[in-house]
Amino acid sequence: QVQLVESGGGVVQPGRSLRLSCAASEFTFSIYAMHWVRQAPGKGLEWVALISYDGSKKYYADSVKGRFTISRDNSNNTLYLQMNSLRAEDTAVYFCARETVGSTTEFDSWGQGTLVTVSS
Amino acid sequence: SYDLTQPPSVSVSPGQTAIITCSGDKLGDQYACWYQQKPGHSPVLVIYQDNKRPSGIPERFSGSNSGNTATLTISGTQAMDEADYYCQAWDSSTWVFGGGTKLTVL
Repeated sequence: QVQLVESGGGVVQPGRSLRLSCAASEFTFSIYAMHWVRQAPGKGLEWVALISYDGSKKYYADSVKGRFTISRDNSNNTLYLQMNSLRAEDTAVYFCARETVGSTTEFDSWGQGTLVTVSS
Repeated sequence: SYDLTQPPSVSVSPGQTAIITCSGDKLGDQYACWYQQKPGHSPVLVIYQDNKRPSGIPERFSGSNSGNTATLTISGTQAMDEADYYCQAWDSSTWVFGGGTKLTVL
């Protein structure tokens, strides 16, 4: 059973930083591209960032480009999202998601999410 | 940027067929997938590569994609299918979600 467990969320002031983690288990983490997806309260899903299986490729949504950094540690089966210069509109539940091997589209497994609240 | 448009809500009676659409420019030229999300839960993939069902997804869920529209069809809709549904596609290294459709079974 694939497991993705996010952590690191919390309440943070505007302009500050936060780092999210996603611990992966029960699958070979190092062969999967991974994503972060967020969902603002009462709103829809918004893709945030992708990292390729080996970390060589990274893509970001325009809304977070230059402020967020995705990374991974394949030796520890962990995905990260470093979020800097946080804004109120970054308030959301952040999910990590696994991209299906051999696909460029769908996410076949999701974590339970971690809530980030940006507020003074 | 690439946009996917879904109706905000769809209502269906138990046992009937629910149809949820997702529109985007030349969407049929790429794969579309669908997620189900129930309140307080993470999304679950229900259709991928336009019309394939992951293991464990009931046969009543089906999909199609042609032209500018992808469609999720739920045949014999059950009360447990009441949820938000999101379409998703990939375009130029950007992963795009539709705005979501709230399916009400009443």
